[in-house]
Amino acid sequence: GDSVTQMEGPVTLSEEAFLTINCTYTATGYPSLFWYVQYPGEGLQLLLKATKADDKGSNKGFEATYRKETTSFHLEKGSVQVSDSAVYFCALTSGGYNKLIFGAGTRLAVHP
Amino acid sequence: DTAVSQTPKYLVTQMGNDKSIKCEQNLGHDTMYWYKQDSKKFLKIMFSYNNKELIINETVPNRFSPKSPDKAHLNLHINSLELGDSAVYFCASSHRDRDLGYTFGSGTRLTVV
Repeated sequence: GDSVTQMEGPVTLSEEAFLTINCTYTATGYPSLFWYVQYPGEGLQLLLKATKADDKGSNKGFEATYRKETTSFHLEKGSVQVSDSAVYFCALTSGGYNKLIFGAGTRLAVHP
Repeated sequence: DTAVSQTPKYLVTQMGNDKSIKCEQNLGHDTMYWYKQDSKKFLKIMFSYNNKELIINETVPNRFSPKSPDKAHLNLHINSLELGDSAVYFCASSHRDRDLGYTFGSGTRLTVV
């Protein structure tokens, strides 16, 4: 079945460092791809999305490009802040019922 | 003006009890979902309703029963609670357009003792 694989965390960075969180997927058909963020004690928030190959999603300084040839959707940010500390989930929609399948999540900790 | 609201936020109960979690959305979405997040943060879909019709029913024990009285509400009832049911349960909703993503509630942390 369809699945999402994310790099294991935790990822620990200093403020203003460059961030990459790797995400690859396996899917039949042409899924839409998403990054969600979960801050401590909260629900998931949609961070960005891409719906077709070569689309770039962006929001709050984060970016990810839908790469069909490598089945990847890596999350990047040029300069992280302490407030970016959270768990990041890569996800895809699967099947006719819009089922959202998540990766295992990657915890990011940013230190001053 | 919460878009997807769940109650209660915390639930502590003894093994063997029956409990319910309620969810309501005011976004006008036609599809609602229940997800379970375990202690390692892994998220797995449990159920989905579209306009009060059950459309996704993953491998979940029969002790879990969803109920959707209308398309704005999706409740989760759990019978004979077990220690392994301890988790955070998230409700979510979406428009039929899959490209718009889901809106999640803030979660219900269930602890079975």
